[in-house]
Amino acid sequence: QVQLQESGPGLVKPSEILSLTCTVSGGSISSYYWTWVRQPPGKGLEWLGYIYDNGGTNYNPSLKSRVTMSLDTSKNQFSLKLNSVTAADTAFYYCARDRLYGSGSFGFDPWGQGTLVTVSS
Amino acid sequence: EIVLTQSPGTLSLSPGERATLSCRASQSFSGSYFAWYQQKPGQAPRLLIYGASSRATGIPDRFSGSGSGTDFTLTISRLEPEDFAVYYCQQYGSSKYTFGQGTKVEIK
Repeated sequence: QVQLQESGPGLVKPSEILSLTCTVSGGSISSYYWTWVRQPPGKGLEWLGYIYDNGGTNYNPSLKSRVTMSLDTSKNQFSLKLNSVTAADTAFYYCARDRLYGSGSFGFDPWGQGTLVTVSS
Repeated sequence: EIVLTQSPGTLSLSPGERATLSCRASQSFSGSYFAWYQQKPGQAPRLLIYGASSRATGIPDRFSGSGSGTDFTLTISRLEPEDFAVYYCQQYGSSKYTFGQGTKVEIK
């Protein structure tokens, strides 16, 4: 079955760029939306945005100016970049397959295990 | 932005009891874009229900979802020990996903 795995630095300095990659195994990255969600320790979930297999993106307006998503179909990977980070960006970052379709959604499934990114000098 | 408000914040119940979790939206939207997730400590969220009432693959039938418009409900008919967790509702509207703040179901 499809599995997702996040990778990237666990520590980022304030004002720098947070960069994460999600590797998809057991299935193709094609024909789906791929999404990022984060969760500050002990708090709730926040959707960051998604990218479709044609490279089209949709970002959460609250972060839109700082977020960039991309994908590499040859590697079956998609990526997240968040610039100008502050301590408020410290969170567990999850990638997930987003089964959005024309008139509904089958939900986010599966999810990666998540990776903690701490913003600190 | 559609705001989702979950209630109660915490639900204290015993194994075998029925759990009823509520999610209310600030404006009406299509249930086709509504989902419930379960999250246990140290784990990623897991999809339970999509389209307001359809169970995801492998989800036991003690979990059921219902509702439409602005009011949605997740019911766990008989709580099993593994069901004690945090539950989140989610919607997609105006090209944006939002989550509720979560309901913690704890052992009484």
